[in-house]
Amino acid sequence: ETGVTQSPTHLIKTRGQQVTLRCSSQSGHNTVSWYQQALGQGPQFIFQYYREEENGRGNFPPRFSGLQFPNYSSELNVNALELDDSALYLCASSLEGEGEAFFGQGTRLTVV
Amino acid sequence: AQRVTQPEKLLSVFKGAPVELKCNYSYSGSPELFWYVQYSRQRLQLLLRHISRESIKGFTADLNKGETSFHLKKPFAQEEDSAMYYCALRANAGGTSYGKLTFGQGTILTVHP
Repeated sequence: ETGVTQSPTHLIKTRGQQVTLRCSSQSGHNTVSWYQQALGQGPQFIFQYYREEENGRGNFPPRFSGLQFPNYSSELNVNALELDDSALYLCASSLEGEGEAFFGQGTRLTVV
Repeated sequence: AQRVTQPEKLLSVFKGAPVELKCNYSYSGSPELFWYVQYSRQRLQLLLRHISRESIKGFTADLNKGETSFHLKKPFAQEEDSAMYYCALRANAGGTSYGKLTFGQGTILTVHP
């Protein structure tokens, strides 16, 4: 059984660019959630995907979007990057949204 | 709205001393409460959840609905307990598979030898 894996681990982008972050869910898990963790803060919920559909969204603008694929892996896309988007992005998978959430190691995004 | 507050950003104790990490929440419904831990250079992982009512690594936490608290306790701290601890809340969505977690800001626990 493999755990949640995220790629890339680190990324540097320029303001205004677009970025795609990837997450492979743990084997057997059908739900993926994305979180943004700014320095010194707790993770903040961005959105959740359940069986390939968005199933809940936090207080993030539409330029944050995502996808979930038939194998339950997921992507987080951020358009028109801003300096404040610099953060650790965490992916968590679970079996159904109410199951235990298992987190990936995160992707550290720096916007310059 | 859901909110989780961890009033202490840093907590230092000596090995063998009792430790209590505070967590207060606000939520109008019936929440699920969790403690997550992140050891150095490791990923965030679940430590315990209130519905399990179990002790993990010597830690316990009791949900006090009257005080809206879910404090994490351990009677004798060990050096290996040094880590970042997050309290988190999940709304009881009634079977819709919606699992948003609301996290506190975290408490860094340092256990000195």
